[in-house]
Amino acid sequence: AQKVTQAQTEISVVEKEDVTLDCVYETRDTTYYLFWYKQPPSGELVFLIRRNSFDEQNEISGRYSWNFQKSTSSFNFTITASQVVDSAVYFCALSEARRGTYKYIFGTGTRLKVLA
Amino acid sequence: DAGVIQSPRHEVTEMGQEVTLRCKPISGHDYLFWYRQTMMRGLELLIYFNNNVPIDDSGMPEDRFSAKMPNASFSTLKIQPSEPRDSAVYFCASSPYGTGKATEAFFGQGTRLTVV
Repeated sequence: AQKVTQAQTEISVVEKEDVTLDCVYETRDTTYYLFWYKQPPSGELVFLIRRNSFDEQNEISGRYSWNFQKSTSSFNFTITASQVVDSAVYFCALSEARRGTYKYIFGTGTRLKVLA
Repeated sequence: DAGVIQSPRHEVTEMGQEVTLRCKPISGHDYLFWYRQTMMRGLELLIYFNNNVPIDDSGMPEDRFSAKMPNASFSTLKIQPSEPRDSAVYFCASSPYGTGKATEAFFGQGTRLTVV
């Protein structure tokens, strides 16, 4: 069965600090996809990144970076030099790729508070 | 494209009343998902459709909940009769997963339901 665990319920950092949000997943499939979404205080869910199980290359996008490690079933998200605008709830999600059964399972989210 | 459109954005209703939430997916997306978000349970998948056909409704909490997708551009989630514990934000999302290439789900703005 699919499962996503975000053990960190809430994290508070001071602006300009680096912060890493943890995500651990469980799946029996060899082909799957991982995602990160951001939910700012306004409430919408904003897509940040997608990764497939065959691509373990880390990715960097501006101040954001992602570390995917199949050996530990983790897909962690790091924000460098955090800013107040990064304050949001961040969700990690998993989707298995069996044809006809695509669905997205979300973790419980990590609330990030960046203090000025 | 205008994105996934949900209506209404806010709904306040009295216990026992019927509530209908509406969703228009992104054109060309053949997967549609209904999620419910609460503080206690996070983002729960209620049901999802592929090409207008319900694939998995195991997340629908009770028989009071029903969902339909009469055509590719419209879906409804109905609660009858509504109860205070149904108060939550309901999200609709769509995805072009059926093209064989996994991608992220695109979310609507959500409907905040309050049952008093």
